[in-house]
Amino acid sequence: DQQVKQNSPSLSVQEGRISILNCDYTNSMFDYFLWYKKYPAEGPTFLISISSIKDKNEDGRFTVFLNKSAKHLSLHIVPSQPGDSAVYFCAASALQGGSEKLVFGKGTKLTVNP
Amino acid sequence: DVKVTQSSRYLVKRTGEKVFLECVQDMDHENMFWYRQDPGLGLRLIYFSYDVKMKEKGDIPEGYSVSREKKERFSLILESASTNQTSMYLCASSLLGTPGTEAFFGQGTRLTVV
Repeated sequence: DQQVKQNSPSLSVQEGRISILNCDYTNSMFDYFLWYKKYPAEGPTFLISISSIKDKNEDGRFTVFLNKSAKHLSLHIVPSQPGDSAVYFCAASALQGGSEKLVFGKGTKLTVNP
Repeated sequence: DVKVTQSSRYLVKRTGEKVFLECVQDMDHENMFWYRQDPGLGLRLIYFSYDVKMKEKGDIPEGYSVSREKKERFSLILESASTNQTSMYLCASSLLGTPGTEAFFGQGTRLTVV
């Protein structure tokens, strides 16, 4: 049973436009949500996170929105650049045992066209 | 410069072999994680650990075990490798008690079981 869902396997946008990547989750115990970016043959790298008690967090061109009642979050990239082309993973954190379990979605491949 | 190092980038093993994947981090992190990445399935959590000799099952622990004898090292063990364990394996680490902060990933080990 997948707890973090990214239903769009791919997204293509024009350079300079907005990219919106979506993520849904099922577990109400998640207390933080994170976005990671992954290039081929590299490990994922952290982009931005948001606490479950907030509804928005912004860092430069990247903004994450959280709608807790809908169990939905989205990552907005404005303006999109060709270097943003990568696979984006949504992740969520929850306590399990004495540790913090970090669960990922399937990823969305973003292509930004020049 | 923070680092998570996985001992091998590529491995080829035979069915039935016992396989060890090693991961070392130099950031004094308490949390360590093992994931596998497969096309269309994203990153799936195998095991994680928040302290020496402590381990927690992730979402797909079957066929795997782990060892954490030292804080900086987290080993993933395939007791008897099978072809369906052919995958990209990613190790990550993070600070305990800071769930909204990033987990750092290694470069990954691409394991092929023949």
